[in-house]
Amino acid sequence: DGGITQSPKYLFRKEGQNVTLSCEQNLNHDAMYWYRQDPGQGLRLIYYSQIVNDFQKGDIAEGYSVSREKKESFPLTVTSAQKNPTAFYLCASSIDVQGAYEQYFGPGTRLTVT
Amino acid sequence: KNQVEQSPQSLIILEGKNCTLQCNYTVSPFSNLRWYKQDTGRGPVSLTIMTFSENTKSNGRYTATLDADTKQSSLHITASQLSDSASYICVVRDDRGSTLGRLYFGRGTQLTVWP
Repeated sequence: DGGITQSPKYLFRKEGQNVTLSCEQNLNHDAMYWYRQDPGQGLRLIYYSQIVNDFQKGDIAEGYSVSREKKESFPLTVTSAQKNPTAFYLCASSIDVQGAYEQYFGPGTRLTVT
Repeated sequence: KNQVEQSPQSLIILEGKNCTLQCNYTVSPFSNLRWYKQDTGRGPVSLTIMTFSENTKSNGRYTATLDADTKQSSLHITASQLSDSASYICVVRDDRGSTLGRLYFGRGTQLTVWP
């Protein structure tokens, strides 16, 4: 899992509540990402940020929001507008290795909304 | 449409045996291809990364091959161990000339190694 931490590992929420997932990295990487993983599907990009105070929507940004106030932190808020929030959420950061932009993933947070 | 397809979807082998996982992609323009190992409930961990000019790369008992002409890659696992039980994900990065090439993820092959 490298130097990326996600907390908590498991999170339970009632439907209609917003919830924020934490992601911190001490790798000094500029770029950070949030992915969602559902059973039997590939990872899908929610949001990404290349530098502090800047972020871009990914493929499935609806119902999610992010902030990037510090280089080390990229929290994800799952809002009540997200229709199917129960999933495994992965945070990643990347560094340019000879143009390859190797991504390193955190351990993930499993969110269950009932 | 840029896609990454993996086969088989799942695989069961006996400890000590070899196996090969397949990845076909249609991503263009191509930048690099990565194989990740993901243990259940954990984040993916990189095994290998290959660029257009590389056709094989090894990481211990893992050997990845790449045929950029046919857009196929394989991951060969030698002398499997119980700890190899995991999902193996093929990921292809496109080359858009920017600092953030798009990553395309396969759905993974779930490998189970039995004693």
